[in-house]
Amino acid sequence: KQEVTQIPAALSVPEGENLVLNCSFTDSAIYNLQWFRQDPGKGLTSLLLIQSSQREQTSGRLNASLDKSSGRSTLYIAASQPGDSATYLCAPGSSNTGKLIFGQGTTLQVKP
Amino acid sequence: GAGVSQSPSNKVTEKGKDVELRCDPISGHTALYWYRQSLGQGLEFLIYFQGNSAPDKSGLPSDRFSAERTGGSVSTLTIQRTQQEDSAVYLCASSLGAGGATQYFGPGTRLLVL
Repeated sequence: KQEVTQIPAALSVPEGENLVLNCSFTDSAIYNLQWFRQDPGKGLTSLLLIQSSQREQTSGRLNASLDKSSGRSTLYIAASQPGDSATYLCAPGSSNTGKLIFGQGTTLQVKP
Repeated sequence: GAGVSQSPSNKVTEKGKDVELRCDPISGHTALYWYRQSLGQGLEFLIYFQGNSAPDKSGLPSDRFSAERTGGSVSTLTIQRTQQEDSAVYLCASSLGAGGATQYFGPGTRLLVL
């Protein structure tokens, strides 16, 4: 059974800092991995999707890496802004159905 | 284009009543997923539909939960004889296909069982 752990559970940083969110998963037989953000009371917004054959994906100030063999992914946020404050969720996808198994998330606060 | 929509956005019901939650996926998306987000359990998979294939119901917590997808588009999640532990946000997602495609989520239905 896939288990996903995200560290840290919460993070508070001043504006402008670069930061790294960590995700580990127990079953390396994944098809892909998605990173999402969730704002309070809202649904999930997809940030990045990494296929199992890829090592990283970039979108603007975000960079996600994937080390499938060791069961790890990281989300790097450059030059953080107050608007980045949200909960970030990591979700590896299973091979044939794509169903996602979610971590508990990292709640980020970026202070002006 | 339009994203995934869900209705109602909020639902309050009494214990023992049945509820229906609706999901309209993005047009052309063949895969549809239901997830549940609760304080104690986090975000968990419930059920998956892909085209005309048999759905993957492995995440449904009990036989009080069922879902259908009509015409390969709209889906309805039904909870019979609701219990207080069913209180959660029910999220629907769709994707172009299974496996490697990005899943796009709707805003969710917040269910409160009194």
